[in-house]
Amino acid sequence: TQLLEQSPQFLSIQEGENLTVYCNSSSVFSSLQWYRQEPGEGPVLLVTVVTGGEVKKLKRLTFQFGDARKDSSLHITAAQPGDTGLYLCVGGGGNKLTFGTGTQLKVEL
Amino acid sequence: ETGVTQSPTHLIKTRGQQVTLRCSSQSGHNTVSWYQQALGQGPQFIFQYYREEENGRGNFPPRFSGLQFPNYSSELNVNALELDDSALYLCASSSSWTGGEKLFFGSGTQLSVL
Repeated sequence: TQLLEQSPQFLSIQEGENLTVYCNSSSVFSSLQWYRQEPGEGPVLLVTVVTGGEVKKLKRLTFQFGDARKDSSLHITAAQPGDTGLYLCVGGGGNKLTFGTGTQLKVEL
Repeated sequence: ETGVTQSPTHLIKTRGQQVTLRCSSQSGHNTVSWYQQALGQGPQFIFQYYREEENGRGNFPPRFSGLQFPNYSSELNVNALELDDSALYLCASSSSWTGGEKLFFGSGTQLSVL
């Protein structure tokens, strides 16, 4: 069974702070995605990374895929209240995606 | 808006009853996956349907069953409901299932079992 552990599980910060969320596994994934889910909604895709060592930027969000394709990180610069939500990493491959345990982020004014 | 719609949005059932949840996938998508999500946690994969056939299953008992129709819409059926079945049920459609494709999620059905 493939597992994706995310840390931290909860994060409450002030507007303007930086943060990093980690997604770790002992398994190799052919691709890894990050989703954000807001209350009452389904998850929405933020990014897909497929190459070991790959770095992708989406405005204030920076995503990195580990060289060995077993881990990933999400860094948010100057967090804003609109970044509040549940962040999920998802390991791809085959027909059974593996979701991470989730990181609940709250950004306060 | 993802184009994936789920119904109903909320449902209350009692232990032992049966429930059917519905999902209309995005146009052009032939793959639908169902997930169970407890509050504040990541979704757990239930099963996936590809072109009307079950194409993978997670660690859920047989009382969780599904269907996919020729128009690629889908149903999730749960028999003999238990209290622990209370959760948000999400469906997601995609254009394929080989990995790395974008999933389009519905807003979910919140099921409460009393």
